[in-house]
Amino acid sequence: GESVGLHLPTLSVQEGDNSIINCAYSNSASDYFIWYKQESGKGPQFIIDIRSNMDKRQGQRVTVLLNKTVKHLSLQIAATQPGDSAVYFCAENFGGQGGKLIFGQGTELSVKP
Amino acid sequence: DARVTQTPRHKVTEMGQEVTMRCQPILGHNTVFWYRQTMMQGLELLAYFRNRAPLDDSGMPKDRFSAEMPDATLATLKIQPSEPRDSAVYFCASGLGRQVLDFNQPQHFGDGTRLSIL
Repeated sequence: GESVGLHLPTLSVQEGDNSIINCAYSNSASDYFIWYKQESGKGPQFIIDIRSNMDKRQGQRVTVLLNKTVKHLSLQIAATQPGDSAVYFCAENFGGQGGKLIFGQGTELSVKP
Repeated sequence: DARVTQTPRHKVTEMGQEVTMRCQPILGHNTVFWYRQTMMQGLELLAYFRNRAPLDDSGMPKDRFSAEMPDATLATLKIQPSEPRDSAVYFCASGLGRQVLDFNQPQHFGDGTRLSIL
């Protein structure tokens, strides 16, 4: 029979281009946000985090932007490589919730060589 | 690099059997989380512990699931009796919460236990 499941948003980019993955979060009181990368058969891998008192944070080839006005988070990957192909999740912490993270549904990034 | 270790990586068993999944958090981490990931529901938090004490298990079906931390280096998630709807990938994650009011630290995940209940 036909399988039913989540249909993840998919982003397809050319190798070497920049990628932007977007995430809308749910709670205006959230004060901490994380991006994770999940490759097939593996657990989510921490990429970068940002606190609500910041608008932007940069890592190696990655930048996270936070817009609290519209409750929007984005992950920018510079010079995307085939090894960046994975599902990317954003997660928010409501704060005062003992570290409980709420995960988004994920975006699948496909990098074409 | 320090890693969260989960065993077994794969488990196939028949409905009604007891299943035990184990997790070794990163040494020094004081917070341990259990998640379940399915195609339908995505990543769901089942339970978590701080300093070995359960803080929240509201995401867990209480009648058949139980989570414990016998010591700081071992967390277990048990299902008894197991049902086909429990088939999923179960992840353990650990983190370091430094202060009482500051829980904002990244969680580090293991590679999961892929569970299939027939």
